[in-house]
Order: sequence, then structure tokens, then C-alpha cells
Amino acid sequence: EAGVAQSPRYKIIEKRQSVAFWCNPISGHATLYWYQQILGQGPKLLIQFQNNGVVDDSQLPKDRFSAERLKGVDSTLKIQPAKLEDSAVYLCASSLVRRAYEQYFGPGTRLTVT
Amino acid sequence: AQSVAQPEDQVNVAEGNPLTVKCTYSVSGNPYLFWYVQYPNRGLQFLLKYITGDNLVKGSYGFEAEFNKSQTSFHLKKPSALVSDSALYFCAAWNSGYALNFGKGTSLLVTP
Repeated sequence: EAGVAQSPRYKIIEKRQSVAFWCNPISGHATLYWYQQILGQGPKLLIQFQNNGVVDDSQLPKDRFSAERLKGVDSTLKIQPAKLEDSAVYLCASSLVRRAYEQYFGPGTRLTVT
Repeated sequence: AQSVAQPEDQVNVAEGNPLTVKCTYSVSGNPYLFWYVQYPNRGLQFLLKYITGDNLVKGSYGFEAEFNKSQTSFHLKKPSALVSDSALYFCAAWNSGYALNFGKGTSLLVTP
């Protein structure tokens, strides 16, 4: 089966610009996660969706980050405006609802903010 | 609250020698514990998990991990390291209904 797809793989922007990342989960996986991985740290959850509803967005900086999953499949994560500290790898993962501990990760998008 | 600690930023081992990457956890209830590996410019790959049962869990690529409830540890081990095992390793814990909680990672360097 196809894995989790993410694009773009790399993005370089200047601070105060905006950027969007796209994720396509594994077919049939109702739960989708966005994680932020800053260099030297483990991934940290930003937002968790179940179908098109938000389960947890407590660690999403809502003044600049937004995410949507309109049809319960693909998801987009947006940053506007970007700050230097947003430089990180953004990982998307998906899972079955009843096996939420078994998460499959995409290759990630490496964002550099200059 | 739950937390995962990986006390070593880097582990160095010679090829052919056994390796251990340490992980301790603080999780309420019965922990689900995981090890993931990350190669440069790649996503996280699942290695193994502990949910219940035998304390020694076997996973991919010859890796295994030992769950120790009294020491709240879940160390990753391999009897004979390969140069190709060099990568970043993450320990993670899961609590029902929530996302994975990761340690900060340990860089493993296996030298020929």
C-alpha cells in the first residue's frame, strides 16, 4: 500500500512570508497528525484530526499556524507569517482510529526560514 | 502527564559490538512504548513496540528492546551493530486517545 505522502520536501522562505504544506494519508486512515520536529528535539504534536474534525490542537500556535482537513482525507498546514523559530521538519502521520498508537509517518517537509 | 527521556545525545559503538540506546519513561497506567529510527532526510520508521506480554520485544533489522517496569525503562538493543545502523533513534510513549510523546532522540554512530 502507498505510504503517507507529503509535499513539498523542502522549502526556504523569508521571515514574515507564508507557506503551506500538504499531506495525503494512507487510504482508510481516519486519523491524521501534524508534528513539528525542531533540530535536536523529538517530534511534537501540533494538531490531530479524526476525519475532518480536530481532536487536539492545544500545541498549535494559532496566531500564525492553521490546518484543515476539509474532506477528511488530505490535509494542509499553513504558517502565516513565518518566524525564524519555525524552521523545522514538519511530519505528517496517519493511523486507524482503533489503532491510534500505530502511526505511519511521511518523509516530512524541511522548512528553513531566513 | 507523560514524558520520555533519552539521556544520551550520542552513542558511539564499533561495528560488530553490541549496542544499547537508553530510554526511560514516566507514563500513567500501562504504557505503550515504541522505538523509531530516522535516517537523514527521511521520515520516522517504526522499529518495535511494547504493549503487553513478554518484556523482551523483537523488532525490525535485528533490534530488540527490554521493558523494565520497576526501572521504568525501555532500552533498545542489538547484539551486533552494523555501520548502516547509524541514524537517529527516538523512543516514544502513547496514552490512549492522544498522540505519541517522543524523547529528544539519540544519535547512533557505528564506526567500521
